[in-house]
Amino acid sequence: ETGVTQTPRHLVMGMTNKKSLKCEQHLGHNAMYWYKQSAKKPLELMFVYSLEERVENNSVPSRFSPECPNSSHLFLHLHTLQPEDSALYLCASSQDSNPEVGRSYNEQFFGPGTRLTVL
Amino acid sequence: AQKITQTQPGMFVQEKEAVTLDCTYDTSDPSYGLFWYKQPSSGEMIFLIYQGSYDQQNATEGRYSLNFQKARKSANLVISASQLGDSAMYFCAMRETSYDKVIFGPGTSLSVIP
Repeated sequence: ETGVTQTPRHLVMGMTNKKSLKCEQHLGHNAMYWYKQSAKKPLELMFVYSLEERVENNSVPSRFSPECPNSSHLFLHLHTLQPEDSALYLCASSQDSNPEVGRSYNEQFFGPGTRLTVL
Repeated sequence: AQKITQTQPGMFVQEKEAVTLDCTYDTSDPSYGLFWYKQPSSGEMIFLIYQGSYDQQNATEGRYSLNFQKARKSANLVISASQLGDSAMYFCAMRETSYDKVIFGPGTSLSVIP
């Protein structure tokens, strides 16, 4: 596997279900991100992990719970979602040159996304 | 206020012609980076080109070039010799020194006509 992979690619779940999205990067990067892309809205940053520590949480509802067990893996745990949470969820990684503060201008490499539908 | 503005929700271009996708940004930071990404219908975001605020020359990557006008705060993407495979959404993004996040614009949908 190369680059950034995400599983599953498609997910349909009811509002009472619990599911998890998985992201894995094979690039040796030290920062990982979750984005939400809804129809006709700009890409929204949800969470940032730098050196496996969360450095950004963009006022995301608690029904979304991230987990970063190591620098190569990132999860997004979902529970009691709402229909408006239906969207494309994108994972990305980058190599931060100043990881202590999570700053660099290095480009982010994205995974193919998980298209989530909440019924 | 929007940090990144892309005023063209949809664009059409004839195959083999050049096309310019507009992007303006708003920042008070002297140091920042500008990015362009392509998103085909498959959903994956593909990095195209990067421009640093202190770079003296406009960035180029193959058929992609960035028309960077710092005083106007614009960073337009120019695609030369358009191909059918260029049909996709294109996003302009910025990362500021004082604001660690990458902020994305709303995107422009480009359709290449044979």
